[in-house]
Amino acid sequence: SQTIHQWPATLVQPVGSPLSLECTVEGTSNPNLYWYRQAAGRGLQLLFYSVGIGQISSEVPQNLSASRPQDRQFILSSKKLLLSDSGFYLCAWSRMAGSYNEQFFGPGTRLTVL
Amino acid sequence: RKEVEQDPGPFNVPEGATVAFNCTYSNSASQSFFWYRQDCRKEPKLLMSVYSSGNEDGRFTAQLNRASQYISLLIRDSKLSDSATYLCVVKGTGGFKTIFGAGTRLFVKA
Repeated sequence: SQTIHQWPATLVQPVGSPLSLECTVEGTSNPNLYWYRQAAGRGLQLLFYSVGIGQISSEVPQNLSASRPQDRQFILSSKKLLLSDSGFYLCAWSRMAGSYNEQFFGPGTRLTVL
Repeated sequence: RKEVEQDPGPFNVPEGATVAFNCTYSNSASQSFFWYRQDCRKEPKLLMSVYSSGNEDGRFTAQLNRASQYISLLIRDSKLSDSATYLCVVKGTGGFKTIFGAGTRLFVKA
């Protein structure tokens, strides 16, 4: 079966500090990978998605970036965090093919920027 | 108009009640539809996909109305454990653009 891991689970960072969140998927190959952010009391916002190693598409302009150095590894980064970067960051995966390729989420990272 | 709209609730219902949620979407070219459940401070989990002919999974029934561009979720015989936020999800063409509704909160009380 497939599993998706994220770490860390929680993070408190000062404004202006760098960020690196990691996501790995097990039990599948060539997955589509996604990064979402959920602000308190709000819906999920798609930040990035990737269809393969080194292939990243950004949905919204921001001070965040993503990388996919390996097939089942997806990293979210920032050089300088803003207060508005606080939120619940979720990584998800889906199968490559098919329109009904449901997304499955990792446990998330709760980021607080102070 | 938001791409996916849900009544935020909260819906407060007694155990055993039947409750229905609706969700409307704006893009008529949308192809795939889902309901997710999210518990407080947890990740969303897939509840069920929504197919054109409607589908049922135990106490849960999902329906799609393409002409009116809405999907619905019906929960019968509500349990305390059904208390959660229910997210409506719509996927457009191309397979990647996935829009999540803001969610409907459900509280089931004894």
